Amino acid sequence: DIQMTQTPSSMPASLGERVTISCRASQGISNYLNWYQQKPDGTIKPLIYYTSNLQSGVPSRFSGSGSGTDYSLTISSLEPEDFAMYYCQQYDSSPNTFGAGTKLELK
Amino acid sequence: EVQLQESGPGLVKPSQSLSLTCSVTGYSITSNYWGWIRKFPGNKMEWMGYISYSGSTSYNPSLKSRISITRDTSKNQFFLQLNSVTTEDTATYYCARYSHILWVSLFDYWGQGVMVTVSS
Repeated sequence: DIQMTQTPSSMPASLGERVTISCRASQGISNYLNWYQQKPDGTIKPLIYYTSNLQSGVPSRFSGSGSGTDYSLTISSLEPEDFAMYYCQQYDSSPNTFGAGTKLELK
Repeated sequence: EVQLQESGPGLVKPSQSLSLTCSVTGYSITSNYWGWIRKFPGNKMEWMGYISYSGSTSYNPSLKSRISITRDTSKNQFFLQLNSVTTEDTATYYCARYSHILWVSLFDYWGQGVMVTVSS
């Protein structure tokens, strides 16, 4: 299985701050990388698909980039509703696997 | 709008089977793929498997001997059965639509999740 190492595991941040979450795959995944957000109430929604494509309805302050084994999610200016858990997921090979998650917390 | 809702017992005894239902509205399960994902205490997430529009299935090899995903197209529901559960199967279980379009595969619609505890 491809291992996804996601960092940091938690991140205190302030409103308006720019933050970046990283995911490193144990082997190249050819940009087959998605990002999800889980809210405190448990609801999960996709943010970014295929490394850098914004899912419909997701604010433009979210962006994704990367290639090979290294990928990142950036939030350009934190809003109150962005404090949540974030997960990366690779689908280059089966079984698809998730990163361990990053908890974005209010500083 | 596509909506998914999980249902099933919140408590299962060790060695028994865990059975969950995912009810889908707003979209037919005879299109696309439909999966189960679980999130463990401590936040790890694991893809468990999916059933396709044709009824074929794919499972995570870590679960292959214990898992079965089936469906009832007349009710637009699909089901998860996990046999011989242990306390390590305690998790929140999610059902989701797994969309495949060209080079994109994405869990684009999720249920709210159902917490299942394995305990005697």
